Amino acid sequence: DAKTTQPTSMDCAEGRAANLPCNHSTISGNEYVYWYRQIHSQGPQYIIHGLKNNETNEMASLIITEDRKSSTLILPHATLRDTAVYYCIAMISGGSNYKLTFGKGTLLTVNP
Amino acid sequence: GAVVSQHPSWVICKSGTSVKIECRSLDFQATTMFWYRQFPKQSLMLMATSNEGSKATYEQGVEKDKFLINHASLTLSTLTVTSAHPEDSSFYICSASGTGVNEQFFGPGTRLTVL
Repeated sequence: DAKTTQPTSMDCAEGRAANLPCNHSTISGNEYVYWYRQIHSQGPQYIIHGLKNNETNEMASLIITEDRKSSTLILPHATLRDTAVYYCIAMISGGSNYKLTFGKGTLLTVNP
Repeated sequence: GAVVSQHPSWVICKSGTSVKIECRSLDFQATTMFWYRQFPKQSLMLMATSNEGSKATYEQGVEKDKFLINHASLTLSTLTVTSAHPEDSSFYICSASGTGVNEQFFGPGTRLTVL
């Protein structure tokens, strides 16, 4: 799986959009970009994933650059409950090689 | 999304004893379950992958005789930490995925403290 690089930490004001970047310059054509988050002392929570096109769901939007070497997770209106470690993972989806490799992630702190 | 539970949520045991942790998929059939370990201020590390009815596949460096994994049904996997020692104290998290499902659904985790 491709290695991803994320900033160690970010801050965001409550109510504002949180934009979390991720670099995955060695991503291969069949690797998806997955985003999970982990609130302190809880199990990770799936947020969103995508291959080429931008994706949006009820939690967030995922913007993937045309060359697929980087992506941005957008939380449109961050709340205090969005404070968590956010993990960006590049992974081949399906088949037998279906393992999530968690890096250090980005600690997002949403401030009141 | 799908719900995965773990039991117990926390456990304290004496050194040398064995501890069993259960992971259940409550509303879907989990063909594959994963077990992770997370030490304080560190990221999740995959320990093993198990498919229902098959032996688990362990990651490099994980002792299969110490961390026994059973995945006997499509809704239950267990992790038994045998002869636990203080260095085994950690946050153990399971996840599950179903056939044709792209996401892994995670349990809430089990905090193990070995005295």
